[in-house]
Amino acid sequence: GDSVTQMEGPVTLSEEAFLTINCTYTATGYPSLFWYVQYPGEGLQLLLKATKADDKGSNKGFEATYRKETTSFHLEKGSVQVSDSAVYFCALRDDKIIFGKGTRLHILP
Amino acid sequence: DGGITQSPKYLFRKEGQNVTLSCEQNLNHDAMYWYRQDPGQGLRLIYYSQIVNDFQKGDIAEGYSVSREKKESFPLTVTSAQKNPTAFYLCASSVSQAGTDTQYFGPGTRLTVL
Repeated sequence: GDSVTQMEGPVTLSEEAFLTINCTYTATGYPSLFWYVQYPGEGLQLLLKATKADDKGSNKGFEATYRKETTSFHLEKGSVQVSDSAVYFCALRDDKIIFGKGTRLHILP
Repeated sequence: DGGITQSPKYLFRKEGQNVTLSCEQNLNHDAMYWYRQDPGQGLRLIYYSQIVNDFQKGDIAEGYSVSREKKESFPLTVTSAQKNPTAFYLCASSVSQAGTDTQYFGPGTRLTVL
């Protein structure tokens, strides 16, 4: 069946560092791919999405490119801020949506 | 403002009691969902509904029940049959069940069984 695997956390970085959170997937069809962010005590918010191969989703300085050849959708940001501290979920949606287990990110000032 | 509301934010229940979690949306979305979130396990689908008066079991429906009498509302009842109900519960909605449709989430309800 379909699945999503993302790097385990926590990931701890200093402010202004470069961020990569890896996400790979397996799917039988042609899924849409998503990154969601969850701040402490809150629900999930859509961060970005891509619906077909080679699409790049971007929002708030975050980017991710739908790579069909490597079945990946890695999240990147060039310079993180303390306010980016949260849990990040990679997800795919084919006939149903499947979430990864989440990666907790800590940004130190 | 359009969005999804869940109430209450924190809920405490004694073992053996049923409890109902509220979820309301004013986004005019057809599809609604309930997820359970446990530490380190991501989100697991409990129930979903694609249209009024219809709903389907998700991956972990045992011990839960839902209703969808109105488009805007999708309440979840956690019954006494649920063996380990303490968790964070998230409601979501989307325009439809189509693969490209984004799910929008409510703020969640944290249920603690005493």
